[in-house]
Amino acid sequence: DVKVTQSSRYLVKRTGEKVFLECVQDMDHENMFWYRQDPGLGLRLIYFSYDVKMKEKGDIPEGYSVSREKKERFSLILESASTNQTSMYLCASSSSYEQYFGPGTRLTVT
Amino acid sequence: EDKVVQSPLSLVVHEGDTVTLNCSYEVTNFRSLLWYKQEKKAPTFLFMLTSSGIEKKSGRLSSILDKKELFSILNITATQTGDSAIYLCAGHYIGGSNYKLTFGKGTLLTVNP
Repeated sequence: DVKVTQSSRYLVKRTGEKVFLECVQDMDHENMFWYRQDPGLGLRLIYFSYDVKMKEKGDIPEGYSVSREKKERFSLILESASTNQTSMYLCASSSSYEQYFGPGTRLTVT
Repeated sequence: EDKVVQSPLSLVVHEGDTVTLNCSYEVTNFRSLLWYKQEKKAPTFLFMLTSSGIEKKSGRLSSILDKKELFSILNITATQTGDSAIYLCAGHYIGGSNYKLTFGKGTLLTVNP
C-alpha cells in the first residue's frame, strides 16, 4: 500500500512566521505535488516536482516555495505566513496518472 | 475559465436514492479523466477514464466518459450514509509536465438516513 504522510494534522502559526510543511512517501514515486483546498475553490495546485531538486510552479505559487532534496520528501515553505494562507494543505505523490494523497494539514494563521 | 467543471456543487439525498454527478472538461490536449472520493481527509482514487463509452464499475459506483460531448458522469446506486463525501473530478492534459492533474471544485454529497 502506498503511504503518504504529512508532518502535522493541525498547525497554528502567527502572521509573519516561516512555516514548513513536510510530506514523505514510501513508494519511490518520481512525482510529488502540493495542493491547497478551500471551500468553494476545490483543490488548487501550488507546486509540483517530477524529480529530486526539480520543481515547477502550479496555479497558485505566490507566497510559497518548495524543496525536494530527497526523492521521498517534498517540503512546502511559507516564507512569511499570512492569514490568507489559512487552508487545508494536501500532499500527493504519483508514478503515473493516479495520485496518492496524504491526510492533509489544516493550517491556521492568526 | 475553469478547465474542469463539476455539477452540482452540493447534493443532499436519502439513503437508497440513486445519484448522478457531472463533470465537464475542456477538450484541448485532454488525455484522461479521473474521479476521487474525499471523506474526512485524503482523497482516494475511484476511476480513470480514457476511452469514450466504456463504463468503469466498482460495486454501486460506475462512471463513463463521453468524448464527443466532453463530460463524464459518476453514478451511485442505492446510496448509503457512507457515500457522504466530496467527489472530485480531475482532468489530465498533455503538454507541460507529465501527470499533472487539473481538479474541479468538487461535489459535496450528503446522504441522510
